[in-house]
Amino acid sequence: LAKTTQPISMDSYEGQEVNITCSHNNIATNDYITWYQQFPSQGPRFIIQGYKTKVTNEVASLFIPADRKSSTLSLPRVSLSDTAVYYCLVGAHLDSSYKLIFGSGTRLLVRP
Amino acid sequence: KAGVTQTPRYLIKTRGQQVTLSCSPISGHRSVSWYQQTPGQGLQFLFEYFSETQRNKGNFPGRFSGRQFSNSRSEMNVSTLELGDSALYLCASSSPDRRIEAFFGQGTRLTVV
Repeated sequence: LAKTTQPISMDSYEGQEVNITCSHNNIATNDYITWYQQFPSQGPRFIIQGYKTKVTNEVASLFIPADRKSSTLSLPRVSLSDTAVYYCLVGAHLDSSYKLIFGSGTRLLVRP
Repeated sequence: KAGVTQTPRYLIKTRGQQVTLSCSPISGHRSVSWYQQTPGQGLQFLFEYFSETQRNKGNFPGRFSGRQFSNSRSEMNVSTLELGDSALYLCASSSPDRRIEAFFGQGTRLTVV
């Protein structure tokens, strides 16, 4: 299972773009990169997923370099409601032995 | 499409008692996983069920068990509760071909006194 490393915490201000980088040096060929967001006392929520290059949805963008050893979650123009913990995970969809392994995540604090 | 439903939302139990938590996955999802979240240990994988069979298991004592029914609904049971079992218990479901895209419920907050 690929281990991930991400910053423990980040601070930002409303309206700014936030980039959270995750390292996954041992990512396997079949692994996808998935990001989850979690608010206090709620279950994690799927944000975005990618395999290579760039993926964008209505919430965020995910940038993945060619070597796939890292990825960057980009949150455009954050608001106070984006204050949450963000988790980066890697794994393969069809791997029946895979289990979601959550690291410590990145605690993002958005200030007014 | 209804999301993952967990019941009850909150529970207070006494040490030594047992507890059963329930999870109804998203319709069509046959994989159900359970997680424990505590401030000290973070989110930890308990076990996963697929088609009524336990497919994966985390590093938890045998007091933690689960099962899955033919309609994919799942229950987890904790026997002989300890104070350290106080946690948010989360259930997640996923479709067989999108296993790492999991959908979580709101969780059950268990407090052991």
